[in-house]
Order: sequence, then C-alpha cells, then structure tokens
Amino acid sequence: DAGITQSPRYKITETGRQVTLMCHQTWSHSYMFWYRQDLGHGLRLIYYSAAADITDKGEVPDGYVVSRSKTENFPLTLESATRSQTSVYFCAIGGWTGGKNEQFFGPGTRLTVL
Amino acid sequence: AQSVTQLDSQVPVFEEAPVELRCNYSSSVSVYLFWYVQYPNQGLQLLLKYLSGSTLVKSINGFEAEFNKSQTSFHLRKPSVHISDTAEYFCAVSEVAGGSYIPTFGRGTSLIVHP
Repeated sequence: DAGITQSPRYKITETGRQVTLMCHQTWSHSYMFWYRQDLGHGLRLIYYSAAADITDKGEVPDGYVVSRSKTENFPLTLESATRSQTSVYFCAIGGWTGGKNEQFFGPGTRLTVL
Repeated sequence: AQSVTQLDSQVPVFEEAPVELRCNYSSSVSVYLFWYVQYPNQGLQLLLKYLSGSTLVKSINGFEAEFNKSQTSFHLRKPSVHISDTAEYFCAVSEVAGGSYIPTFGRGTSLIVHP
C-alpha cells in the first residue's frame, strides 16, 4: 500500500507552459503539503492544506497554485513555468492521528523547465 | 516562529566509525522533533521522533537522538555506520501548541560513508 502517490515522476516542459503535478493519498490524513527540494536549500514549503477547501501559503508560494476539492487529492499547478522552477517536488501527508505526529512523503516529481 | 539549523552540510566518515549529525532548533513553545532520511532518488522517510517522555529515542537501524531542552538540540548519533547509511538526513521541528501542524525542516546533512 503506497499510501501517497505522485504523478508524473518525471516531467520536462518549456518556459511559459502550464504544468500540473498530482498528489493522491489513500490514508485520509487531514494535512497535505507541497515542498520543493533544491541543492543548498533543503526542503522548502510551497503550500499546505489542513483539510478539503482549506489551503495556505508556505515559504515559497509565488508562481504556484493549489486546490483541494477532495480530501485525497492535492494538485500543484505551475501556471506559467519558469526555469527557476526546475526542481524536485515532494508531496507529503500528515497530521495528529492516533497519537502519532509525523509526515509521510511521496516519491517525488523531478521537473525540468527548459 | 520555529527554525532549525543543521550545522553540517556534509559529513564524511569511514565505515564502522561513529557519527554525529547535529541539529539545533529555535522555538518559543514546546516542540516535537524529527529526523528523516532520504536515500538517493527517493522521498523522505521518518527515522525517529521525539514527542514526549524519554529524551533518548532510537530507530530500528541503530540510530539514536537525544532531546536536550537546555541546549535546544536534537543531535543524531550512530556508534558504527555502514555503507548503506549513506543518505541525506533532515532534522525537523513542529510546535506543540495551537493545533497547527506545520513542521519546519533544516537544510539537510549529507552523510557519506567511505569503505
């Protein structure tokens, strides 16, 4: 049981194009997160969601849009991709469930913007 | 606001030697502390966590970390490393109060184990 999946795993696009990265969970965790990982910067939070229809900005939200109409899905859209958005994107789920407090990460999407 | 500092970006070590990866945090309230590991081309996995109780927490693969409130630290240690421990390690903190659950990650420490 993967629990959290991301698609696509790899994506190459061109500057100015719209790109959507998908994140799906099967575990019904309340919180979902999008991070980007870049060398020298570690993990930086882009957006997060505490529940369906509740989203909020993280550290680096500019150029990204999210939505969460269903608890299990949390897509991330780059409305007009730029080269600076070349990165590895991780979706994570988490929350205080059953006395546990931790995050579970997806396998990541490697995005290249040419 | 909370913050996390991982003092070393890279730690090279020989196989079977001990290692310590340092993590310091800053917060005005009580915190939960985590160490995550990331193997090449994979997502992060929880290695161990401190929520409450004993300040010394251990993982199933020989790592341990000790919560030191006075020094605001949560250093990760292993007495004897293996080649397979080569990975990126992230320290994270989330604040207990307020019902929010937004962890903050350090920039990561790359552990490189040489034969």
